[in-house]
Formats: sequence, C-alpha cells, structure tokens
Amino acid sequence: NAGVMQNPRHLVRRRGQEARLRCSPMKGHSHVYWYRQLPEEGLKFMVYLQKENIIDESGMPKERFSAEFPKEGPSILRIQQVVRGDSAAYFCASSPSEEAFFGQGTRLTVV
Amino acid sequence: GDSVTQMEGPVTLSEEAFLTINCTYTATGYPSLFWYVQYPGEGLQLLLKATKADDKGSNKGFEATYRKETTSFHLEKGSVQVSDSAVYFCALSDPLGTGTASKLTFGTGTRLQVTL
Repeated sequence: NAGVMQNPRHLVRRRGQEARLRCSPMKGHSHVYWYRQLPEEGLKFMVYLQKENIIDESGMPKERFSAEFPKEGPSILRIQQVVRGDSAAYFCASSPSEEAFFGQGTRLTVV
Repeated sequence: GDSVTQMEGPVTLSEEAFLTINCTYTATGYPSLFWYVQYPGEGLQLLLKATKADDKGSNKGFEATYRKETTSFHLEKGSVQVSDSAVYFCALSDPLGTGTASKLTFGTGTRLQVTL
C-alpha cells in the first residue's frame, strides 16, 4: 500500500502565476487534510475534505486559495496569483479515521 | 485558540545521551496529544500518542506522558542513536473536531542532531 503521494516535490512559480499541488491519499482513505508550514513555524491546518465535499476550511485564506477532492483523482490545492508570502511547504495528510498519514510535502517557492 | 509550545532547537546530543524535548499545550476540552517525527526528505510520521490524562504513549524507545495538571507532553528517550536525528513535532487534536482526530495543531518543531 503506497503512502500518501504528493507532487510535485518542488515547485517554483513567478509572482502572479498559479500553483497546483496534488495529493493522492492512501488507498481506502476518504479524508484529506492540507497543512502549510511557513519557514521557522509549525504546520498550520488549512482545509479538511472528504470525497467531493469541503468539511472544514477554517484555516484557508479567504482569497486566492481553493481546494477540491473529486470523486476520481487526487486532491488539488490551488493557489491563484501567487505572492512571495505563499512560499512554504504544503503537506497533505489522509486518514481512514483517527490517525493521519502525511505525504512528503510540496515545497513552493515564489520568485 | 488551541496552541502548542515546544522547546526550540536545535538540540545536539552525543549518542547514548538522555533526551527530553519539552511540550506544553493550551486547549479547551480534552485533546489527544501526539508526537510526530520528520526524517530528512520525508513526510511526518506518527511516533506516539496519548488520548487521555495520565496515558503514556511509547514507541521505538521514546515515551511521553499526558499530564493534564501541567498541560504537558514531554518527549523522552533514555539513550539516543544517530538514526534518531530528525525534527520532532508535538501536536494536539481538535477537541471539538467532527469525526476524526486528524485536525491537528502543531508546535514549531525541534531539530535533534545526534553525534557519535
């Protein structure tokens, strides 16, 4: 059973471009969480999704950020018109119930 | 809101030394507490957890006890190895979470470097 897969591992975008981060949960897991880790900070919760539904997006910035978890395919975290402050490591976790399994993260650099 | 405070690193120890990484928390209700470890180039892995007061979580020689009276969950290991070099994160679950314990609040992480 493969672990949580995130891609790309590293992503460089110019200011104003769009960033798309992908997360394939572990097989059989229907819960997906996105976290962001800014430099020198801990991971901060962004959004919690189940298949085709956003359950909790209380940690998601109100503008430019969106997330989806379609019936088929990976979960996508989308950041429009990126700014330098979006540079961070973005982690996805999947869960069947209580324990969360994390991916290796995508490191986004905005230049 | 909920918060987790852990000791700043880096922590540098010689092999076989005793390890303590302090973690304290602030939360409403009765959260579950976790330690995650991140090895270089990898994702976070659950190291151990405790779900109620006085529970002791343990794994791979590491242990931590849920202390409600001091709101602490300090990580300890009696004899560290070079292979324990990693970043360690203390976390708590959202006690008001809906359905799962996986909405986590993390500390900033403590880097441990173990040398020969």
